[in-house]
Amino acid sequence: QLQLQESGPGVMNPSETLSLTCSVSGGSFNSYNHYWGWIRQPPGKGLDWIGSMSSSGDTYYNPSLKNRVNISVDTSKNHFSLNLNSVTATDTAIYYCARHTIERSWDGFDDWGQGTLVTVSS
Amino acid sequence: DIQMTQSPSSLSASVGDRVTITCRASQSISSYLNWYQQKPGKAPNLLIYAASSLQTGVSSRFSGSGSGTDFTLTISSLQPEDFATYYCQESYTTPRTFGQGTKVEIK
Repeated sequence: QLQLQESGPGVMNPSETLSLTCSVSGGSFNSYNHYWGWIRQPPGKGLDWIGSMSSSGDTYYNPSLKNRVNISVDTSKNHFSLNLNSVTATDTAIYYCARHTIERSWDGFDDWGQGTLVTVSS
Repeated sequence: DIQMTQSPSSLSASVGDRVTITCRASQSISSYLNWYQQKPGKAPNLLIYAASSLQTGVSSRFSGSGSGTDFTLTISSLQPEDFATYYCQESYTTPRTFGQGTKVEIK
């Protein structure tokens, strides 16, 4: 069974760069139809997709964050990472990593990590 | 961006009730619509993909329908473990967007 686990700082200061890693185990990391994505959820609010990347480097980003975000994949370690620079309090959220399956007939997030809360505060 | 609007935002129902949640897209998304369930403190869980296909391991009391701009999620007989927040999500274009959620509470 596929398992995803986020790791990251917890608390950070405004203007810093958020770096999160998602470790993937129990499944294939290099399938052609599997991308690896990040979704966030501000406390008590809804879900926002940040972006997704395939193991071959194909990347989709949310245009609202594109200037500040970078997703990378390390196939040798079966993990992928999120960097979000110049954070502010509005970036405070639970950050989830997820497997993003993209097929011709459907496209969705079919396995999720447990999430990690990142708080931006001075 | 495509806007996804769910209704209602919340509802109260009893165990055994039939529950229907609707999701409307701001433009046609064909059948590129997924439904997720999220329980407090937990990650979302995929229930329905491609508008009407049941994800492996999900109870058959969940069903989805619709295409184009209007979609529904139906729970045929609400069970105690179904009290949660439900989100629709379109996968027709970038950015992928979610509805604002529908919270299903116990009456």
